[in-house]
Amino acid sequence: NAGVTQTPKFRVLKTGQSMTLLCAQDMNHEYMYWYRQDPGMGLRLIHYSVGEGTTAKGEVPDGYNVSRLKKQNFLLGLESAAPSQTSVYFCASSYPGQGGPGANVLTFGAGSRLTVL
Amino acid sequence: DQQVKQNSPSLSVQEGRISILNCDYTNSMFDYFLWYKKYPAEGPTFLISISSIKDKNEDGRFTVFLNKSAKHLSLHIVPSQPGDSAVYFCAATVTGGKLIFGQGTELSVKP
Repeated sequence: NAGVTQTPKFRVLKTGQSMTLLCAQDMNHEYMYWYRQDPGMGLRLIHYSVGEGTTAKGEVPDGYNVSRLKKQNFLLGLESAAPSQTSVYFCASSYPGQGGPGANVLTFGAGSRLTVL
Repeated sequence: DQQVKQNSPSLSVQEGRISILNCDYTNSMFDYFLWYKKYPAEGPTFLISISSIKDKNEDGRFTVFLNKSAKHLSLHIVPSQPGDSAVYFCAATVTGGKLIFGQGTELSVKP
């Protein structure tokens, strides 16, 4: 049981390049999330999805796009990378009520470190 | 606008003593509060949670206290162990599936 798998683990981009981060989960979870972690800022929600074919904006969505074409996959895209997008990106998944009604316990991947030069 | 705040970036505690990590929030509509633990180069892992209708939840060495009137929660670790050294994130759930995190507190437990 792999849980949540993120690819790639590391990537270096030049300003203006595009790329896609892939998240896959094998737990049949409904909800999926993309967060970024920056020093002193904690984990900030970029986009999330509450089901296949649906997406919603989080706290810091600008400069990113997402797609959830299949229940098990959640893709995060950067169309034109900027140095401000240098960060560690975490994908997570959960099912409604996991951990108790309203609790929403997330299972995280190991992270993807992105550097934009 | 930071809805969940952890104002202490770091905390150092002696092994065997109590560690107290604090978290403040601004949104009285949060349903549940959770604590996550994160080691370097790994994803966060769930530690303990508490419903907004309770004021205490205990799981082994870990206890979370919720003070709704002060919009404050705390995580107590007793006794602290060197393996507890990690970054701890406080988080709160929002209706509709979102989970909002604080900035994190790095705990260092000295032998």
